[in-house]
Amino acid sequence: QVTLKESGPVLVKPTETLTLTCTVSGFSLSNARMGVSWIRQPPGKALEWLAHIFSNDEKSYSTSLKSRLTISKDTSKSQVVLTMTNMDPVDTATYYCARAFRGPTIWFDPWGQGTLVTVSS
Amino acid sequence: DIQMTQSPSSLSASVGDRVTITCRASQSISSYLNWYQQKPGKAPKLLIYAASSLQSGVPSRFSGSGSGTDFTLTISSLQPEDFATYYCQQSYSTNTFGPGTKVDIK
Repeated sequence: QVTLKESGPVLVKPTETLTLTCTVSGFSLSNARMGVSWIRQPPGKALEWLAHIFSNDEKSYSTSLKSRLTISKDTSKSQVVLTMTNMDPVDTATYYCARAFRGPTIWFDPWGQGTLVTVSS
Repeated sequence: DIQMTQSPSSLSASVGDRVTITCRASQSISSYLNWYQQKPGKAPKLLIYAASSLQSGVPSRFSGSGSGTDFTLTISSLQPEDFATYYCQQSYSTNTFGPGTKVDIK
């Protein structure tokens, strides 16, 4: 059974850096067709893709947030880490990690339960 | 960046209705299009990948079609558990989600 679980702070202050960890089980981060994506969703709003990383260390970032994001992985620990710098209240959202599967397209399945991050002083 | 739009933004329907949701890309994305269902307070769930392939375990009343810029998700006979918000996602160039379509009870 494939599962993903997000962990990190529930509250960060404006200008701080957010660090989130996704711990996966049921698949290997060394699998050539699989990776991990981060996606967020502000309260009551739509999904926004942030970044993904694959086994060959291929990384991709949202164009609008690229300057603030860094994604990395520790295959031995089955973990993927996302950092987002200079946090702002508009970054308040539920942050999800999901397995990214490279098939005819890249799709996200399954997803973690999500973690709500609030940005406030 | 490729922009995705969905129509309608919301709809009201009854159990047993046939429901169609449209997703449009700002440029051709071939068949690099996936559909997700999200229920309140829950993570999204993959329904359809590559425009028309049904994800394992998803009921056959869900179907997808289209290529290029125009895509549709169809629910052939709406069931009570299908009331949710539906999102399309393109992976032709990085990844972008549509704004969502909320399906609620009429």
